[in-house]
Amino acid sequence: GQNIDQPTEMTATEGAIVQINCTYQTSGFNGLFWYQQHAGEAPTFLSYNVLDGLEEKGRFSSFLSRSKGYSYLLLKELQMKDSASYLCAVRERYSGYALNFGKGTSLLVTP
Amino acid sequence: EAGVTQFPSHSVIEKGQTVTLRCDPISGHDNLYWYRRVMGKEIKFLLHFVKESKQDESGMPNNRFLAERTGGTYSTLKVQPAELEDSGVYFCASSPLPETGRRGYTFGSGTRLTVV
Repeated sequence: GQNIDQPTEMTATEGAIVQINCTYQTSGFNGLFWYQQHAGEAPTFLSYNVLDGLEEKGRFSSFLSRSKGYSYLLLKELQMKDSASYLCAVRERYSGYALNFGKGTSLLVTP
Repeated sequence: EAGVTQFPSHSVIEKGQTVTLRCDPISGHDNLYWYRRVMGKEIKFLLHFVKESKQDESGMPNNRFLAERTGGTYSTLKVQPAELEDSGVYFCASSPLPETGRRGYTFGSGTRLTVV
């Protein structure tokens, strides 16, 4: 099993940058995923990290440090539509393809 | 490409009744997963199909839950008899083989089950 911790809530201003952290403990790391979920909708895949470093995809970037059990999701040039829940999920080598999720971070973007 | 479709979107049933949830994965996706989110908790894995075979059902809570994927296309998850603690949002996800992670898993919008 593993613990996946992320902040419950964050607030940021439109146009700003926000970093959402995720820490995890696992016995056999096999990838970390970030998902965005708007209320009542499907979680939407944002990023996947399996090696250390930064993956950039437009306004969104995700960073991974396997030695520290740490990842962050960086959102730049925030827009109102970025208000959503952001889910960190880890896959373990010995649990097949199952994802283990954190509780999610609810991000509110204000004008 | 059509996404992952789940039916119904909402279901309210009485304790002791039976409910069947359906998931239609993306066409050609051999991997199909069921997850559940109970209020206030994280999304939790229930089980994983590869085509019609159950690859991993370690997350199924108890024997009141039965999942099938006949023919390796759509899947059903039956809860019989339903209990109050079964209330939550049931998500289905699919992914192609081989699973590299790069494309992620595509989730459906979920079925919100309320047991009263």
